[in-house]
Amino acid sequence: QVQLVQSGAEVKKAGASVKVSCKASGYTFTDYYVHWVRQAPGQGLEWMGWINPSSGGTYYAQNFHGWVTMTRDTSIGTAYVELSRLRSDDTAVYYCVRERGGSGTYCIDYWGQGTLVTVSS
Amino acid sequence: QSVLTQPPSVSGAPGQRVTISCTGSSSNIGATYDVHWYQHLPGTAPKLLIYGNTNRPSGVPDRFSGSKSGTSASLAITGLQAEDEAHYYCQSYDSGLSAWVFGGGTKLTVL
Repeated sequence: QVQLVQSGAEVKKAGASVKVSCKASGYTFTDYYVHWVRQAPGQGLEWMGWINPSSGGTYYAQNFHGWVTMTRDTSIGTAYVELSRLRSDDTAVYYCVRERGGSGTYCIDYWGQGTLVTVSS
Repeated sequence: QSVLTQPPSVSGAPGQRVTISCTGSSSNIGATYDVHWYQHLPGTAPKLLIYGNTNRPSGVPDRFSGSKSGTSASLAITGLQAEDEAHYYCQSYDSGLSAWVFGGGTKLTVL
């Protein structure tokens, strides 16, 4: 069955960087775009962008340009998101998700379990 | 402020029917982009509930249904059950922002 398993919770100081991993299994990793979505405490869901695991191409939402980097390692079926210059308002649960149908459907069919990133000042 | 607007909360008694609205604009729902709905139970990852406006993934009970008209969409839940208590989010694509957009979420309380 399809699974997206994310790395564990992180606590970081403001200004630091963090890298969250998302290991995919149960399907061909390169056939489906991976997106990242975050949820700050008490807030709604916010889309961050996507990576095409096949080509490595990326697209970032405007709020995440310049400080978020999405990468992947096809040899181990894992996607990563790195957040730099962390601020306290980046404290959130970060989810990796799979795009239903591969790409172009704008729909999420599977979610990782989420990774809590806490940024302290 | 979310691009898609949902009521913050709705409630209903067991067995009743509730609806959750999702209002967008001409650059997202009104531009014929599909609306999808997710159920988010506390302490778990969100789950796809409705895709492509009206379709249920396998395993989702037919008590859940979706509709779309103009710049709005709705999620209806009939025969309300205690386990339906969760947050519900609508989601679509916005061509003006070139971004996936979510509603702010609606908390369903089963009385």
